[in-house]
Amino acid sequence: KQEVTQIPAALSVPEGENLVLNCSFTDSAIYNLQWFRQDPGKGLTSLLLIQSSQREQTSGRLNASLDKSSGRSTLYIAASQPGDSATYLCAVNFSGNTGKLIFGQGTTLQVKP
Amino acid sequence: EADIYQTPRYLVIGTGKKITLECSQTMGHDKMYWYQQDPGMELHLIHYSYGVNSTEKGDLSSESTVSRIRTEHFPLTLESARPSHTSQYLCASRRVGAEAFFGQGTRLTVV
Repeated sequence: KQEVTQIPAALSVPEGENLVLNCSFTDSAIYNLQWFRQDPGKGLTSLLLIQSSQREQTSGRLNASLDKSSGRSTLYIAASQPGDSATYLCAVNFSGNTGKLIFGQGTTLQVKP
Repeated sequence: EADIYQTPRYLVIGTGKKITLECSQTMGHDKMYWYQQDPGMELHLIHYSYGVNSTEKGDLSSESTVSRIRTEHFPLTLESARPSHTSQYLCASRRVGAEAFFGQGTRLTVV
């Protein structure tokens, strides 16, 4: 079964700290992987999309990496700010999965001032 | 800014009523999705579409139905709402192999 797992479920850090969020998936045959941010009671905001042929993508203070062979992706957040507090979700578009996006459970991040 | 819209944002409705949740996108995306999410829980795919006249059930069994008569429009219908349908419903769209965009969601409460 194609599954996506995110650990830890929750993370609390002081402002200014660099941090890494983890995403693992069970099948290395993927088209792409996407990271999202979700604020309480809201929809999802796309952060970064990594195609299967790419190793990493960067946007501002965010850097996402992809290692298909080990079934892992990480989201690195530099110099965290209280405004980064949200739930971060990764979603995988598995090959042969007819275009469905499979989500992890998310990591809820709290950045304390 | 993603051009995908869901209406209504909030809906409180009585048991047994028929409801339709609207989702529209102006990006010409062929793939569209409906996810269900309970508070603090993960997203579950309930329906998806590859294009006009294409609809498929997702991984989570749902009593809702969908239609895709136009590329830009993917409404979700509940024929007879029940309290167990209380949840947040999220709509998304994307082109093949490209970034997915989500609407702001509809928070449904059935009393």
